[in-house]
Amino acid sequence: DAKTTQPPSMDCAEGRAANLPCNHSTISGNEYVYWYRQIHSQGPQYIIHGLKNNETNEMASLIITEDRKSSTLILPHATLRDTAVYYCIVSVFSGGGADGLTFGKGTHLIIQP
Amino acid sequence: AAGVIQSPRHLIKEKRETATLKCYPIPRHDTVYWYQQGPGQDPQFLISFYEKMQSDKGSIPDRFSAQQFSDYHSELNMSSLELGDSALYFCASSLGRTGVEEKLFFGSGTQLSVL
Repeated sequence: DAKTTQPPSMDCAEGRAANLPCNHSTISGNEYVYWYRQIHSQGPQYIIHGLKNNETNEMASLIITEDRKSSTLILPHATLRDTAVYYCIVSVFSGGGADGLTFGKGTHLIIQP
Repeated sequence: AAGVIQSPRHLIKEKRETATLKCYPIPRHDTVYWYQQGPGQDPQFLISFYEKMQSDKGSIPDRFSAQQFSDYHSELNMSSLELGDSALYFCASSLGRTGVEEKLFFGSGTQLSVL
């Protein structure tokens, strides 16, 4: 069973903010929300992760709802190079182990010029 | 900054042959993961190693095996290759020590074509 649900595709105009939603209604208390993206045939790239607080880094912002059942990844000023498949993943902090992240069906974000 | 290095970049094999893919993690990273991505598919987790011991196992076929060596590099060995094994194989590395949140860094992948 999928632990996350994302729209299969989204469009966004270049220069605008891209808001990518993710539902994870069965998330457990010790599971983090991770976002990765994959630009065509390249290795996936880490973007951001969080537990319950909103997070921001140089690439994006992550907004997690108070009940933690959904989140939104925000790319503040999308560029053509942001066209990629974006994956929302929930995963337990393994604390020293090496549990593999499970990639589900992501969102194909297309930035339009 | 140093990244995850995978070799070879491309590999062409015949059915029933064997293949070995290599992965060199980022320096000081002690955890390695292997993923398989078929055409039009999402990455599928195969196996991972932490401190040279197998840590987690995903959908890795019995024909495949992997190990992590003392210098932390890893090799994925694939035998009796089938046409369906044609895929991009990614390796990722991370710091798996207690107290460190997992953040995976992926290599550029090895494109395996089985003819």
